[in-house]
Amino acid sequence: GAVVSQHPSWVICKSGTSVKIECRSLDFQATTMFWYRQFPKQSLMLMATSNEGSKATYEQGVEKDKFLINHASLTLSTLTVTSAHPEDSSFYICSAHYRGEMRGIGTDTQYFGPGTRLTVL
Amino acid sequence: TQLLEQSPQFLSIQEGENLTVYCNSSSVFSSLQWYRQEPGEGPVLLVTVVTGGEVKKLKRLTFQFGDARKDSSLHITAAQPGDTGLYLCAKEGAQKLVFGQGTRLTINP
Repeated sequence: GAVVSQHPSWVICKSGTSVKIECRSLDFQATTMFWYRQFPKQSLMLMATSNEGSKATYEQGVEKDKFLINHASLTLSTLTVTSAHPEDSSFYICSAHYRGEMRGIGTDTQYFGPGTRLTVL
Repeated sequence: TQLLEQSPQFLSIQEGENLTVYCNSSSVFSSLQWYRQEPGEGPVLLVTVVTGGEVKKLKRLTFQFGDARKDSSLHITAAQPGDTGLYLCAKEGAQKLVFGQGTRLTINP
């Protein structure tokens, strides 16, 4: 299966600092990557869609100036949490989109990274 | 707003028992995916179903897609502690995935 990596796997930072998280598709190219946030005991909530070579599309309620997304190549997207605060502490997960086909039906599959646990003190 | 309803949200059973998890929507899916997520890790794709009435088996896991393509179920036979995790169904639309709220499954030895 396709492999997606994230770096770092965990980070602890002080309030007010910025943190960058990288998401890489290791064995396929992804024009589209997604960033999710997951709070404890909850499901994944989509934050934004990262498009290679263009601006990211943010979901309603997600501050684009706070969560900066850059998708500079077909295998790398980055999420920067700017001026992080304790309420930004969460598990951030990226995924890379793969377009395939199953019995003649186009399927969109997302392969997920292992996640980054951010703790803001 | 959750467009996919999963039930139950929590399930704790003994090793060896069978269980079924449900995923329902009021709208038709073009396809549906089931994922399993373990603590501190990203979700891992288990299966994609695309055809109404389809049944797929993955060892002790059986996935069913409803005839009307509005619902799906995951049945686990003879559950084992290694099956413990968060099970998520997701439907795709405009390349995005919409997840159900998940079923947190605990299998007790």
